[in-house]
Amino acid sequence: EAQVTQNPRYLITVTGKKLTVTCSQNMNHEYMSWYRQDPGLGLRQIYYSMNVEVTDKGDVPEGYKVSRKEKRNFPLILESPSPNQTSLYFCASSFDRFNSPLHFGNGTRLTVT
Amino acid sequence: AQTVTQSQPEMSVQEAETVTLSCTYDTSENNYYLFWYKQPPSRQMILVIRQEAYKQQNATENRFSVNFQKAAKSFSLKISDSQLGDTAMYFCAFMKGNSKLTFGKGITLSVRP
Repeated sequence: EAQVTQNPRYLITVTGKKLTVTCSQNMNHEYMSWYRQDPGLGLRQIYYSMNVEVTDKGDVPEGYKVSRKEKRNFPLILESPSPNQTSLYFCASSFDRFNSPLHFGNGTRLTVT
Repeated sequence: AQTVTQSQPEMSVQEAETVTLSCTYDTSENNYYLFWYKQPPSRQMILVIRQEAYKQQNATENRFSVNFQKAAKSFSLKISDSQLGDTAMYFCAFMKGNSKLTFGKGITLSVRP
């Protein structure tokens, strides 16, 4: 089944403890991206990747890192999480930039205390 | 920078009736894509419909259709014969050629039995 898999679905952590949210897609998609969803703000793009080893900042990249060493994986790294990064995170992928819709993962609810 | 505005935070509709969700956007681009995504309580993001800006014909997907007014930069979603399963948050989104997807803040739609 074609899908975008995020893990974990829920995560509670403390300020400053490094964490990684994994994202993997099995559709051979070139484009992958991360979003955070906050009440009243909709979804905002954190980072995106056009292909392996090609990443770029979205609207809210501060405090996040990403890597794209393999086509299928696009992990989101929080080196030193802070409470303002408490949010719902979505990974998404698509085949190309223009004609393909985004496929979303099921989301990761992160709480930083 | 592109902006997407969904001015109605929530709406309610009677089952089997028709409802229209509004969305406006601001861009200087000529070629772009517009989307409506649905997020049910399961929080999964589901693509409802997509419109290419270069197409004058309004997109239609079963009970869902759009009214795309390029000059007015308006992109409303019409849901006909509303069903209980349509209860969800709906996001309007804009994408230009560099793959940056900009979302509106969303509207909560409730379908009453």
